[in-house]
Amino acid sequence: RKEVEQDPGPFNVPEGATVAFNCTYSNSASQSFFWYRQDCRKEPKLLMSVYSSGNEDGRFTAQLNRASQYISLLIRDSKLSDSATYLCVVNFNKFYFGSGTKLNVKP
Amino acid sequence: GAVVSQHPSRVICKSGTSVKIECRSLDFQATTMFWYRQFPKKSLMLMATSNEGSKATYEQGVEKDKFLINHASLTLSTLTVTSAHPEDSSFYICSASWASGLTDTQYFGPGTRLTVL
Repeated sequence: RKEVEQDPGPFNVPEGATVAFNCTYSNSASQSFFWYRQDCRKEPKLLMSVYSSGNEDGRFTAQLNRASQYISLLIRDSKLSDSATYLCVVNFNKFYFGSGTKLNVKP
Repeated sequence: GAVVSQHPSRVICKSGTSVKIECRSLDFQATTMFWYRQFPKKSLMLMATSNEGSKATYEQGVEKDKFLINHASLTLSTLTVTSAHPEDSSFYICSASWASGLTDTQYFGPGTRLTVL
């Protein structure tokens, strides 16, 4: 079983839509969690850390469910510029990356 | 956020040559730097973890004699791909962090696209 699993998508949504991604992880002792965004042929960029209490940054909300071992990312009011691949990252002694979920926001 | 640079951004070389990639943290001192490789439409794969002044720790399956890592200072790490072959063609990305412990945040360089002919 992979350490981190994500639905590869693509998720095709219209502008203004709300979209949510989930990511599951296998190691219950994982300590920290992140969402990164990666544009085509570019490096990953930190979108937000994920805290146990959940956290929100503008249109983006991340949540952690330790009991079920998943994290989620909710994007409200999608913009064209949100089109990218979203990487779930779990840290247990080292970073484990999911393979990413591709989001296409269409006009 | 913290800034990490990588050089070169793109390199094309002949099979059998060696290629050096530099990774620099520009506005912070990186206690740890990481080297990743990413093939098209695949996730990032950690190659090695590098701490300043000590030998790098390589992931299983990564040849340490082929991928030489030097972390001579708190702001610079280098990866040298020795005797490169076409199967080494990939996107190589470094990242850097400055905290110790399990809650490090990693900041990524822009990556180096290596093509071996």
